[in-house]
Amino acid sequence: AQSVTQLGSHVSVSEGALVLLRCNYSSSVPPYLFWYVQYPNQGLQLLLKYTTGATLVKGINGFEAEFKKSETSFHLTKPSAHMSDAAEYFCAVSDPNTGNQFYFGTGTSLTVIP
Amino acid sequence: DAGVTQSPTHLIKTRGQQVTLRCSPKSGHDTVSWYQQALGQGPQFIFQYYEEEERQRGNFPDRFSGHQFPNYSSELNVNALLLGDSALYLCASSRGTGTEAFFGQGTRLTVV
Repeated sequence: AQSVTQLGSHVSVSEGALVLLRCNYSSSVPPYLFWYVQYPNQGLQLLLKYTTGATLVKGINGFEAEFKKSETSFHLTKPSAHMSDAAEYFCAVSDPNTGNQFYFGTGTSLTVIP
Repeated sequence: DAGVTQSPTHLIKTRGQQVTLRCSPKSGHDTVSWYQQALGQGPQFIFQYYEEEERQRGNFPDRFSGHQFPNYSSELNVNALLLGDSALYLCASSRGTGTEAFFGQGTRLTVV
């Protein structure tokens, strides 16, 4: 079974500061891992994904995440926050053997302070 | 490419009624999944359709049913609506068991 825990339902950072959103997962098999962003009244947009290979994954809008198997983590970072980064962020896990059925965390709301 | 399109965008129904939500997948995609996102929560998997058959199902009651058509579009039906069914319903499409899924804008269902 797969599950995701996102630590911190709300995170506030100053514009230009480092963004760090935490995600820990539980999976009975080597998982696929994803970060999605959701703007108000919109669907989900894929930021980045890890399937196999390099554990540091770069995504859109300057975001990146590192898969750490020993820590069962997949934290999302961005060196310098921009006002447009304010949104809801979801970490998700899927089992590669059963197709793309995603298990999502409860989300982290990111506020960027000017 | 229009991406994943869902209709309607908003819907208000009365408790006990039935509702049908529609989804057209991204061009070239043959797999459609449905998710329910309650306010303040992450999306929860309802079911997935591939080749017009339900391939996987999450922990949702039989009141939730679906269909996939030969053109890969899909419907989600919910019978005997409860107040707790109020949520944003998201459709996601992908190609086979590919790792990347594209989400639509969702249908906001309000049950009163």
